[in-house]
Amino acid sequence: DAGITQSPRHKVTETGTPVTLRCHQTENHRYMYWYRQDPGHGLRLIHYSYGVKDTDKGEVSDGYSVSRSKTEDFLLTLESATSSQTSVYFCAISELGAGMQDTQYFGPGTRLTVL
Amino acid sequence: DQQVKQNSPSLSVQEGRISILNCDYTNSMFDYFLWYKKYPAEGPTFLISISSIKDKNEDGRFTVFLNKSAKHLSLHIVPSQPGDSAVYFCAASTRTSYGKLTFGQGTILTVHP
Repeated sequence: DAGITQSPRHKVTETGTPVTLRCHQTENHRYMYWYRQDPGHGLRLIHYSYGVKDTDKGEVSDGYSVSRSKTEDFLLTLESATSSQTSVYFCAISELGAGMQDTQYFGPGTRLTVL
Repeated sequence: DQQVKQNSPSLSVQEGRISILNCDYTNSMFDYFLWYKKYPAEGPTFLISISSIKDKNEDGRFTVFLNKSAKHLSLHIVPSQPGDSAVYFCAASTRTSYGKLTFGQGTILTVHP
């Protein structure tokens, strides 16, 4: 199994509060991704990173920001959580990424509930 | 606009029989396709992939077929086992997309003993 951990694994918060989710990898892979999973939608990409300090938006990036100051850590921040951001969040990593046909490996997920 | 679609929300199969999961896509730029399996409260795990230059890829009990003209791929599991019961997602990417994956909605497979 790829060395990917996510913290926290579960979180309940209130509308309007900031929330930060952490993804940590021990594989030294260059590419990291944040997805959210919702019923009827599968997994949808929020943001991704193609290197330290290099990030870009995905399909559903509104209301989210990310940071990557070290290869091993990729943080997802909800600046002001809303109920529509209640979801399960997955981090993924890949070694090759751009221009290559590579496989992404996923972390165990964080279940976030916004009341 | 759902670029990758799994039109069957669920599939029920008897142990030992074949399971066939289907996936359709609309973006002709997709050139790499993957299947993931997901158990409850766990992250998706990679099963098998196929490049657009192939029409079939096998790995043990799992075979993926790609029909580019129909923009359709399928996953065959033979023989099906109760441990295969999970949600299956198909996903697609392009060479120019930094490896970003576009997922289908998922199909819940239940294999009955």
